[in-house]
Amino acid sequence: GAVVSQHPSWVICKSGTSVKIECRSLDFQATTMFWYRQFPKQSLMLMATSNEGSKATYEQGVEKDKFLINHASLTLSTLTVTSAHPEDSSFYICSAMGQGGNQPQHFGDGTRLSIL
Amino acid sequence: DAKTTQPPSMDCAEGRAANLPCNHSTISGNEYVYWYRQIHSQGPQYIIHGLKNNETNEMASLIITEDRKSSTLILPHATLRDTAVYYCIAVDQAGTALIFGKGTTLSVSS
Repeated sequence: GAVVSQHPSWVICKSGTSVKIECRSLDFQATTMFWYRQFPKQSLMLMATSNEGSKATYEQGVEKDKFLINHASLTLSTLTVTSAHPEDSSFYICSAMGQGGNQPQHFGDGTRLSIL
Repeated sequence: DAKTTQPPSMDCAEGRAANLPCNHSTISGNEYVYWYRQIHSQGPQYIIHGLKNNETNEMASLIITEDRKSSTLILPHATLRDTAVYYCIAVDQAGTALIFGKGTTLSVSS
């Protein structure tokens, strides 16, 4: 079945550090990937839509200069949290869907980010 | 995309069928119904999806009413590992982001 790999699964870093999270589709090509954020006891919130070879589309309220998204290939999208602060601590999850037809989206296992 | 409504929580005994309802009374003709579940501290897992007809796979069955205004996800023999938050989402086309509601927290107990 379709597999989406996310790395790292867990990161702790100091305030002011930039953190890069990778999302890879392992056995299929994904022209579109999505990034979500989930705070404790809440549902997933869509942050942005990442399209291969073009600029990401951000949801209202999500700072594009703070959450840099790059989708340089059909199997890799990255989310960089720049100058992270404690309020950026969250569970970040990506999803990807294959090309063609009404294929379901498949999710990575998430990255738990803790900013001290 | 159509809004969906689900009960906040349900309980099920291990080995029994778990029937999770979802109301999507404003769904349009081209919107699919997708079900995902999220086990604690993991990414959502795809379960099943359908448009009009009932669907079955190795994980579950999806029953969609004839008027498409509601559906039921059926886990035929629930196990403790099925304890999770289940999300019902209506999506109009491939490539569209999934918008998650609060879902139903299913607790399976022995």
